[in-house]
Amino acid sequence: DAKTTQPPSMDCAEGRAANLPCNHSTISGNEYVYWYRQIHSQGPQYIIHGLKNNETNEMASLIITEDRKSSTLILPHATLRDTAVYYCIVRVARALTFGSGTRLQVQP
Amino acid sequence: ETGVTQSPTHLIKTRGQQVTLRCSSQSGHNTVSWYQQALGQGPQFIFQYYREEENGRGNFPPRFSGLQFPNYSSELNVNALELDDSALYLCASSLGSKAAQETQYFGPGTRLLVL
Repeated sequence: DAKTTQPPSMDCAEGRAANLPCNHSTISGNEYVYWYRQIHSQGPQYIIHGLKNNETNEMASLIITEDRKSSTLILPHATLRDTAVYYCIVRVARALTFGSGTRLQVQP
Repeated sequence: ETGVTQSPTHLIKTRGQQVTLRCSSQSGHNTVSWYQQALGQGPQFIFQYYREEENGRGNFPPRFSGLQFPNYSSELNVNALELDDSALYLCASSLGSKAAQETQYFGPGTRLLVL
């Protein structure tokens, strides 16, 4: 699976949009971009995934650049409960390969 | 809530012992994957079971083994426990094919401490 690069940490004010970037410059044409988050000591929670089109669901939006070398996860109105580690994963195989993720701290 | 359950929630064992962890997959899901998450790191893939057969394995020694039952629940067995096996063990289920690229939904995990 392609390697991903994420900033180790980010802060966001409560009620504002949180924009989490991910670089995946070696992504192949059939590899999906997945986002999961993990709140302290819980199991990872699926957020969203996409191949090349932008995607939106009730939790977030995923913006993938046209060349697919990077993506951004957008939480439109961050709350304190969104404080977590967010993992960007590029996947083609059956296993999810987790990196170190971005620790998002939502500030009141 | 994903519908994936794991038991027990916490477990303490001593070095050299054996442990069995259990996972019930989400209703309708036929594929179970197991991951190990050491403190401060991301989860690492152990193996996956699809319709009762192992369907892929990560870089873990043979003392890590598993089973999947006809109802698609699963067990992870670890023999000859080592201190480094202390971790959060995560189970994820998906409605899969053998290619198994479907979205995986995780349970809450079992925290194992080896003394």
